[in-house]
Amino acid sequence: QKEVEQDPGPLSVPEGAIVSLNCTYSNSAFQYFMWYRQYSRKGPELLMYTYSSGNKEDGRFTAQVDKSSKYISLFIRDSQPSDSATYLCAMSARSNDMRFGAGTRLTVKP
Amino acid sequence: GAVVSQHPSWVICKSGTSVKIECRSLDFQATTMFWYRQFPKQSLMLMATSNEGSKATYEQGVEKDKFLINHASLTLSTLTVTSAHPEDSSFYICSAVPSGRIIRNEQFFGPGTRLTVL
Repeated sequence: QKEVEQDPGPLSVPEGAIVSLNCTYSNSAFQYFMWYRQYSRKGPELLMYTYSSGNKEDGRFTAQVDKSSKYISLFIRDSQPSDSATYLCAMSARSNDMRFGAGTRLTVKP
Repeated sequence: GAVVSQHPSWVICKSGTSVKIECRSLDFQATTMFWYRQFPKQSLMLMATSNEGSKATYEQGVEKDKFLINHASLTLSTLTVTSAHPEDSSFYICSAVPSGRIIRNEQFFGPGTRLTVL
């Protein structure tokens, strides 16, 4: 079993839709949770950073962490074509041990 | 803020030659930098952790004599792929953690370097 599981998609939604991206994990020691966006042939860009359980909102993006279920989510409201990218979840227990999900390829169609 | 650059952005080389990739944190100091490799449609695979002033820590299965890492200053780490072979062709990405934020492991990524070995 992988430490971090993420459905690679692809996921295709119409413009304006709410997008839900998810990851599950097995290591209960993870306490730092991140979402990165990666455009084709570019490096990942940090979108959201959450410590422990709870919700965090930033504009159209909301990150949720449920440590009891070992499940994290990223919601994108009013999705735009410019949101089309690969979204990577990442998590770590301490420094130097970040683990990434496989990434979900999202396409938002105009 | 928190900008990381890589140079070159892409490189094509002949089999058997060596290639050096630079990773720079432009507006912050980074005691720790990371080097990843990413194959098409796959996630990032950590190759090694680069610490300023000390030897790099390599992940299992990564040959330290083939992938030489030097972290000579708080803003620069280099990865040298020695005696490159076609199977080394990949997208190499570095990340840097601002000094003082290592506990949070808040990594900022460079734009990546695409290496093609002929």
